[in-house]
Amino acid sequence: AQTVTQSQPEMSVQEAETVTLSCTYDTSENNYYLFWYKQPPSRQMILVIRQEAYKQQNATENRFSVNFQKAAKSFSLKISDSQLGDTAMYFCAFMYVSGTYKYIFGTGTRLKVLA
Amino acid sequence: DTAVSQTPKYLVTQMGNDKSIKCEQNLGHDTMYWYKQDSKKFLKIMFSYNNKELIINETVPNRFSPKSPDKAHLNLHINSLELGDSAVYFCASSDYRDRDSGANVLTFGAGSRLTVL
Repeated sequence: AQTVTQSQPEMSVQEAETVTLSCTYDTSENNYYLFWYKQPPSRQMILVIRQEAYKQQNATENRFSVNFQKAAKSFSLKISDSQLGDTAMYFCAFMYVSGTYKYIFGTGTRLKVLA
Repeated sequence: DTAVSQTPKYLVTQMGNDKSIKCEQNLGHDTMYWYKQDSKKFLKIMFSYNNKELIINETVPNRFSPKSPDKAHLNLHINSLELGDSAVYFCASSDYRDRDSGANVLTFGAGSRLTVL
């Protein structure tokens, strides 16, 4: 069975600082994808970043980057130069193909950016 | 132009009533989903449809019945509502045909908050 674990229920960071959210997963699949989604207070789920498991290079999207350690089954999200608008719930998600896409979400990390 | 739209955004109703939530996507995706997010923010898949066919049907009470009239629409009907059905329900879509592109990213609607009194 596939599982996704986010061990930090809540975190806070000062504006302009850097923060890292952790995510680990367990799977026996070889081909899969990993995602970070953001859910601000508006509750809209927004894709932050996406990583293909077969790619060794870590994905980056502006201030957001991941540290993907396939052997350790770890997929952390680094947010640089944190902004107030980054305040949100962040969900790590794992996707594999088994007849269709199957997504498993972690329990989320609530991030608060402090002014 | 909203990619995945759900209606209504808020729904307050009494126990025992029947209600529906509608979802439409204009992305041309072939797969649509319903997720339930409980009060602890845990996201759980309920159903998945690919080209109008039911693909995933997780352990969900049979009071919940999805209907997909075409691949752009996936509605959720709930009979005999119970207090425990109170949650935010998210519709999402993705495209199974091109897995190596960004089309396997789930695109979510804004959610429908259901409150059962």
